[in-house]
Amino acid sequence: GENVEQHPSTLSVQEGDSAVIKCTYSDSASNYFPWYKQELGKGPQLIIDIRSNVGEKKDQRIAVTLNKTAKHFSLHITETQPEDSAVYFCAASEWDFGNEKLTFGTGTRLTIIP
Amino acid sequence: GAVVSQHPSRVICKSGTSVKIECRSLDFQATTMFWYRQFPKQSLMLMATSNEGSKATYEQGVEKDKFLINHASLTLSTLTVTSAHPEDSSFYICSARVGGFGTEAFFGQGTRLTVV
Repeated sequence: GENVEQHPSTLSVQEGDSAVIKCTYSDSASNYFPWYKQELGKGPQLIIDIRSNVGEKKDQRIAVTLNKTAKHFSLHITETQPEDSAVYFCAASEWDFGNEKLTFGTGTRLTIIP
Repeated sequence: GAVVSQHPSRVICKSGTSVKIECRSLDFQATTMFWYRQFPKQSLMLMATSNEGSKATYEQGVEKDKFLINHASLTLSTLTVTSAHPEDSSFYICSARVGGFGTEAFFGQGTRLTVV
């Protein structure tokens, strides 16, 4: 099955600076890679995703890059703000015995320092 | 984005009792819903995949007789934790996919289950 590794586990960034979170995956058949933001006591919220036929996608201050050859993808947050503080999860989608499922990374706790 | 509503958000129950958690897709039909379990400061672990009108597919190590999943309609899936024990205390989260392979999955707000 798919294995997703995520780094770093914690990240502190000064407000206004950029934050980068990296993930690697193992299954070359995976072709959908979403990123989720989870605030304390809440469910994950989709913030951006990318499919394998695209190398980069941007949405305002958030961007995701994908390198299929190296099997890694990254989340970039620019001009960070205090409300960006949360836990971020990457995921990779795989097809498994007739069902599609998401395998999540271990999460990154991002803290924005005012 | 699409809205997935999960109820209740918090529940406390006594050991040995059963608890039902509901997951509803409010503005779309979801042929497939997923149930996850999350321990404090850990990632989401898939428990089972629920397809409307058929039996759920459980991940390895998940007891299907303990975690009963019913997906009776295109907008509702339920997870029942039977004969709950303190070790079942966790954060349970459902999600629903809008379309087919490689489409967005939206998550409910989660249910904090505490078994005392």
